[in-house]
Amino acid sequence: QKEVEQNSGPLSVPEGAIASLNCTYSDRGSQSFFWYRQYSGKSPELIMFIYSNGDKEDGRFTAQLNKASQYVSLLIRDSQPSDSATYLCAVNTGGSTLGRLYFGRGTQLTVWP
Amino acid sequence: KAGVTQTPRYLIKTRGQQVTLSCSPISGHRSVSWYQQTPGQGLQFLFEYFSETQRNKGNFPGRFSGRQFSNSRSEMNVSTLELGDSALYLCASSLSPAKTYEQYFGPGTRLTVT
Repeated sequence: QKEVEQNSGPLSVPEGAIASLNCTYSDRGSQSFFWYRQYSGKSPELIMFIYSNGDKEDGRFTAQLNKASQYVSLLIRDSQPSDSATYLCAVNTGGSTLGRLYFGRGTQLTVWP
Repeated sequence: KAGVTQTPRYLIKTRGQQVTLSCSPISGHRSVSWYQQTPGQGLQFLFEYFSETQRNKGNFPGRFSGRQFSNSRSEMNVSTLELGDSALYLCASSLSPAKTYEQYFGPGTRLTVT
């Protein structure tokens, strides 16, 4: 069973702060890693993906990957109330399961003004 | 470019009935994956289709089945519905299985089984 674990939350930060979301995965062979944002009542929306160790930045979002520690994180800088949502970490292990994503249970983030 | 569309958006069925859900991928996308989302279990993979072939299947009973047509549209069917099948069913499309980073979700079908 391939496990993806996220810090359970909920996470609450003030507007302008940095929100840090964490995710660990069990399959050491995992190849690609994704962060989705899901607003209440909506479907997941892809916001970041990362394949290589290190940091990947896109605007206010930074994904960090450490394959040795089997850890991936998402930092949201200058958090805004509109960032309030559930953030889902997803992992793809490649090979015969190339088109399949394994999801964590999500972390609910609230950004208060 | 139009996104992934799913029909119907909402559905209420009775235990024992069957249901068919439809997904139209983004134009040009040939891979379709289906997921079930519930508060208790989160997002769980059902199956994935590419070029009309089922490539992967999750740990769901045989009551859950699917297919893909030559135009890449996909359907999933659930027979003999149970109360526990109440969930949001999400379809995601990508150009191909190798391009999972381009996996985009549709709005989902909310199924309620009474």
